[in-house]
Amino acid sequence: EIVMTQSPATLSVSPGERAILSCRASQSVSSNLAWYQQKPGQAPRLLIYGASTRATGIPARFSGSGSGTEFTLTISSLQSEDLAVYYCLQYNNWPPWDTFGQGTKLEIK
Amino acid sequence: QLQLQESGPGLVKPSETLSLTCTVSGGSISSSSYYWGWIRQPPGKGLEWIATIYYAGNTYYNPSLKSRVTISVDTSKNQFSLVLSSVTAADTAVYSCARQMYYSDTSGYFDYWGQGALVTVSS
Repeated sequence: EIVMTQSPATLSVSPGERAILSCRASQSVSSNLAWYQQKPGQAPRLLIYGASTRATGIPARFSGSGSGTEFTLTISSLQSEDLAVYYCLQYNNWPPWDTFGQGTKLEIK
Repeated sequence: QLQLQESGPGLVKPSETLSLTCTVSGGSISSSSYYWGWIRQPPGKGLEWIATIYYAGNTYYNPSLKSRVTISVDTSKNQFSLVLSSVTAADTAVYSCARQMYYSDTSGYFDYWGQGALVTVSS
């Protein structure tokens, strides 16, 4: 099983500042990495797939980078509506054995 | 606009069987471009992939749940279903269905999700 580890567990950032979230895989997942945003009481929303491709309708302030075992989600200028828990997902296995990170809770200062 | 909707009992007794159905609208479950999957989230915890199915009937399971899980598809109704047997309190979670991208040599990310259905295991 590929274990995905996200850091930090909680991140507190002021509006307008940059937020950097990390996700590490226990073995290489190539670029088969997605990021999701989950607001309270809502289903997860796809932000990034292929490690760096923004999903349809996702604002440009969200960007993803990395490959192999180290990945980053950057929110360039934090807005109040970005308060959420962010999860990474690796989908590199065949047959499928998808694993999520444990999440990073993003708080607004 | 693709929509997915979970349905099924919200309360299941310990040792019994949990059954959920996901109805897909606004798109065909028989598309060759997608898998269809189930994910769960215990209250206050993270996400866990449970199982995935292709419209042709190919099934894939999380090894940690494989002995208790069955996923199936009914293309005539544009639905797919989850059955989890011998449930315990640890199976209490929000169960979500989702569309999953199909690739020939890897799994795929989930792009559309249902709102989720809370299933509580309690006597």
